[in-house]
Amino acid sequence: NAGVMQNPRHLVRRRGQEARLRCSPMKGHSHVYWYRQLPEEGLKFMVYLQKENIIDESGMPKERFSAEFPKEGPSILRIQQVVRGDSAAYFCASSPPGRGLNEQFFGPGTRLTVL
Amino acid sequence: KNEVEQSPQNLTAQEGEFITINCSYSVGISALHWLQQHPGGGIVSLFMLSSGKKKHGRLIATINIQEKHSSLHITASHPRDSAVYICAVISGGYQKVTFGTGTKLQVIP
Repeated sequence: NAGVMQNPRHLVRRRGQEARLRCSPMKGHSHVYWYRQLPEEGLKFMVYLQKENIIDESGMPKERFSAEFPKEGPSILRIQQVVRGDSAAYFCASSPPGRGLNEQFFGPGTRLTVL
Repeated sequence: KNEVEQSPQNLTAQEGEFITINCSYSVGISALHWLQQHPGGGIVSLFMLSSGKKKHGRLIATINIQEKHSSLHITASHPRDSAVYICAVISGGYQKVTFGTGTKLQVIP
């Protein structure tokens, strides 16, 4: 049973380009969370998605950032017109469906560098 | 004031020492995670607990819900334990996770 997969592991973009980060949850998991870790800072919640629904996006910057988790395929975190301040490690985590407390399992992260 | 506070921020220990990392939080929670992150590496979940105590190998985690405090203990520390240890609390209907700033541990041979 493969763990949470993220790709690419490293991504380099020039200012103004778009970055697409992918997260494939663990098999059977239908909840995905995205977190950002800025250099020398702690992890911060960005968005929580279930299949085809955004449940909580209170941590997402208001502009240029979007996330989706389609019925088929991975969850995508999209950053348009990247700026240097977007350079960070982006982690996703997944948890199984159902009410109640479910442990989140983390992916290896995507390290985005904006030149 | 952060909702989740960890102490110490940095910790250097000699191999074999008993280590304690503390986490205090100010919100009502449903559970608490202890996570480990190696430099440049991914995040590994060590424990998720909502009451009492859990043990896995040389690691022990305790939580006191009334006092809003948790501790992570490492017995017989080893250089390979060197990492950042992060406390994360889970709260709200959507199980939102709020992270502490982490404790950077270095174990010297």
